[in-house]
Amino acid sequence: DIQMTQSPSSVSASVGDRVTITCRASQGISSWLAWYQQKPGKAPKLLIHTASSLQSGVPSRFSGSGYGTDFTLTISSLQPEDFATYYCQQANSFPLTFGGGTKVEIK
Amino acid sequence: EVQLLESGGGLVQPGGSLRLSCAASGFTFSSYAMSWVRQAPGKGLEWVSALSGNGDSTYYADSVKGRSAISRDNSKNTLYLQMNSLRAEDTAMYYCAKDNKDNWLVDIWGQGTMVTVSS
Repeated sequence: DIQMTQSPSSVSASVGDRVTITCRASQGISSWLAWYQQKPGKAPKLLIHTASSLQSGVPSRFSGSGYGTDFTLTISSLQPEDFATYYCQQANSFPLTFGGGTKVEIK
Repeated sequence: EVQLLESGGGLVQPGGSLRLSCAASGFTFSSYAMSWVRQAPGKGLEWVSALSGNGDSTYYADSVKGRSAISRDNSKNTLYLQMNSLRAEDTAMYYCAKDNKDNWLVDIWGQGTMVTVSS
């Protein structure tokens, strides 16, 4: 199975900050990676698919990069509505696997 | 508008069974693979099972393999998850999820249905 390791597990940041979350796969997954945002009590929401493609309707302050084993989600200027938990997911092979999540909290 | 509406969750005793359903609307259901993803209270996301658009290919997490069966009725635009021999560790919110573009990434999630396994 492919293990997905996210870091950090939590980050405290202020509105306007640049926030970077990383996801490392235990083996190469090409670009088969997505990033999701989840707010408390809500279903996840797709932000980025195939490593760097912004999902329709998602603000351009979100961006994704990476290939192979190392991936990054960047929020260029954190907004109040961005405080949430973020997950990466690989779809290179079954079983599909998620990272452990990164909680973005208000500083 | 694309929508997924899960149902069938509830309280069940250990060893019991449940069938979850997911009613889809707003897209050509038969053209898309579908998945079930769960989230235990206070925990992260765990993929459970997936099914190709025509229903020919199925995939399961080891944690549910042999105890669960995913299926779909494309004439009813509905996805199912039959869960048997339920255990306390199956307690979670179960989300129905639509494939993005034949890549097993999820672009639409349902609101979830809660399964609680307890005596």
